[in-house]
Amino acid sequence: TQLLEQSPQFLSIQEGENLTVYCNSSSVFSSLQWYRQEPGEGPVLLVTVVTGGEVKKLKRLTFQFGDARKDSSLHITAAQPGDTGLYLCAGVDWPGGGADGLTFGKGTHLIIQP
Amino acid sequence: NAGVTQTPKFQVLKTGQSMTLQCAQDMNHNSMYWYRQDPGMGLRLIYYSASEGTTDKGEVPNGYNVSRLNKREFSLRLESAAPSQTSVYFCATEDTRNQPQHFGDGTRLSIL
Repeated sequence: TQLLEQSPQFLSIQEGENLTVYCNSSSVFSSLQWYRQEPGEGPVLLVTVVTGGEVKKLKRLTFQFGDARKDSSLHITAAQPGDTGLYLCAGVDWPGGGADGLTFGKGTHLIIQP
Repeated sequence: NAGVTQTPKFQVLKTGQSMTLQCAQDMNHNSMYWYRQDPGMGLRLIYYSASEGTTDKGEVPNGYNVSRLNKREFSLRLESAAPSQTSVYFCATEDTRNQPQHFGDGTRLSIL
C-alpha cells in the first residue's frame, strides 16, 4: 500500500501571508491530484500534476510535482479567508494505476484569519 | 447540474439498526466509490465499482455491503450498525481509470 504524508496537519495564518503545504511519499506516483474540501461539502479537484518537475499555477496557488514523482507541494501567495479549507493530495499508483482509484493523504487543515 | 447526489444528508441510528445510503450520478461515469472520512484518518475507501455489474472491497469493507444497481446508482448498506461506523460517508465517481474523482456532499451518520 502506497502512503502519502501531508504536512503540516494544521495551519492557521493571517490574511496576506504566504504558505506552503507538502505531500510526501516514498513511492512513485503516475500523477498527483490536489483537492480542496470546505465544511459540509465533498472534495473538489483543484489541479492534476502529471510530469516530474511540473509546475502549475491556479491564480495565487502554485502546485509542483517533484522530479522523482514522489512528492508535491502547494504554495499559496497572499492567502485570503476564502482559501480556508481542508487540502487533500491524492496519488495515482505507478505505473498504470489501480482499479481501486486513488491514494489519499490525510489532509492539511488551513485557516486564514482576516 | 446535479453531478453526484447522496441521500440522506444526515442520519442518526441506534446500534444494530440497518440502513442504506444512496448515491446517484448523472455524469455517465463508469467507476463509483464509497469512502468514509474520520478526523485524523483522511478518506478511506470502503468499496468501489469499476463498472456496472462489478464491485470490489477497498481498505475498510467490514460491516458494509454495496450494490451497483445500474450505471447511475451505487448504494452502501450497513446491515447492523455499530458506533464505530459513525462517520461522514462520501460517494465519488470517475470517468475512466485514474481520472479526477467527483464527490457528493456526503452523508453524516451517527450511530448511538
